[in-house]
Amino acid sequence: AQSVAQPEDQVNVAEGNPLTVKCTYSVSGNPYLFWYVQYPNRGLQFLLKYITGDNLVKGSYGFEAEFNKSQTSFHLKKPSALVSDSALYFCAVSAPGAGSYQLTFGKGTKLSVIP
Amino acid sequence: EAGVTQFPSHSVIEKGQTVTLRCDPISGHDNLYWYRRVMGKEIKFLLHFVKESKQDESGMPNNRFLAERTGGTYSTLKVQPAELEDSGVYFCASSPREAHNEQFFGPGTRLTVL
Repeated sequence: AQSVAQPEDQVNVAEGNPLTVKCTYSVSGNPYLFWYVQYPNRGLQFLLKYITGDNLVKGSYGFEAEFNKSQTSFHLKKPSALVSDSALYFCAVSAPGAGSYQLTFGKGTKLSVIP
Repeated sequence: EAGVTQFPSHSVIEKGQTVTLRCDPISGHDNLYWYRRVMGKEIKFLLHFVKESKQDESGMPNNRFLAERTGGTYSTLKVQPAELEDSGVYFCASSPREAHNEQFFGPGTRLTVL
């Protein structure tokens, strides 16, 4: 069975500071990893994904994430946080090699960027 | 390009009633998924269609839930009869055929069972 852990329910960061939202995963086979963001009263928006290749992936709105196979982690990062980045962030994993396209999500991390 | 749409946006029903949720995926997307998030918990997978066929329905909680995707276009998710624990936000997502593609999510339907 696949699983995702987001150890922090909430992350607070000052505007202009770097931010990190943590994610670790467990899956059989090679993982496909995703980050989604949810703004209030909106659906999930795709930010970025890791499928294969370069461990550092870049996505929308200046976000990036680093895949670390040995630590089974896929932390989301941004060099300089904006107040508009405040939202709920979800990490997700799928394992198509095991025949499953379904996404397994973490419980979400609420990011608050303080002006 | 239009995104994934869901109807209704909100539904409030009484225990024992029936509710039908609708999802219109992005045109041309073979894969369609249903997920659910109950209060304070993770978003959970319900099922996966490839065109009109159910590829994976391992997440469906019980036989009160029935999903269809006639013609391989839009999908419906019926809950009959609804129970209190069915309350939550139901998300639909779609993606192109290949496994490496990200899923595009709709805004969700918030279901409240009283």
